[in-house]
Amino acid sequence: DIQMTQSPSSLSASVGDRVTITCRASQSISSYLNWYQQKPGKAPKLLIYAASSLQSGVPSRFSGSGSGTDFTLTISSLQPEDFATYYCQQSYSTLRTFGPGTKVDIK
Amino acid sequence: EVQLVESGGGLVKPGGSLRLSCAASGFTFSSYSMNWVRQAPGKGLEWVSSISSSSSYIYYADSVKGRFTISRDNAKNSLYLQMNSLRAEDTAVYYCARERYSSGWLADYWGQGTLVTVSS
Repeated sequence: DIQMTQSPSSLSASVGDRVTITCRASQSISSYLNWYQQKPGKAPKLLIYAASSLQSGVPSRFSGSGSGTDFTLTISSLQPEDFATYYCQQSYSTLRTFGPGTKVDIK
Repeated sequence: EVQLVESGGGLVKPGGSLRLSCAASGFTFSSYSMNWVRQAPGKGLEWVSSISSSSSYIYYADSVKGRFTISRDNAKNSLYLQMNSLRAEDTAVYYCARERYSSGWLADYWGQGTLVTVSS
């Protein structure tokens, strides 16, 4: 199975900060990488698919990059509504796997 | 509007069974693959199972293989998860999610989840 790791596991940031989250796959997954945002008590929400494509309706401050094994999610200017947990997920394998998540909270 | 509504969760004893349902509306259900994803209390997301639009392809996480069965009824716009031999570690909120392909598979719509608690 393909294992996904994320770093950091949590971070504290202020409104307006640039935030970068890293996701790493245990083997090459090309660009088959998605990013989801989840707020407490809510279902996950798709932000980025195919490593760098922005899901419809998602603000342009979110961006993704990477291919192979290393990927990043960047929030260019953190907004109050962005405090949440972010998960990467690979879709290269039929056995989809998620990363452990990165919690972004208020500094 | 796309809607996914899970039901069937509840409290069950270890070794017991439960069947989850997911009612879909607002899209052509028979054209999409579907997933079950779970989240244990305070933990991260765990992909559980996927089923293709015509049920031709079915996949399971190792943690549930042989105990859980995913199925769908396209005539009823419904997705199911039959869970047998339940264990305490299966306690989680279970989400159904629609999956589509766009340069890779992605889950673009999710239900609100249903809580399964396995405890004696």
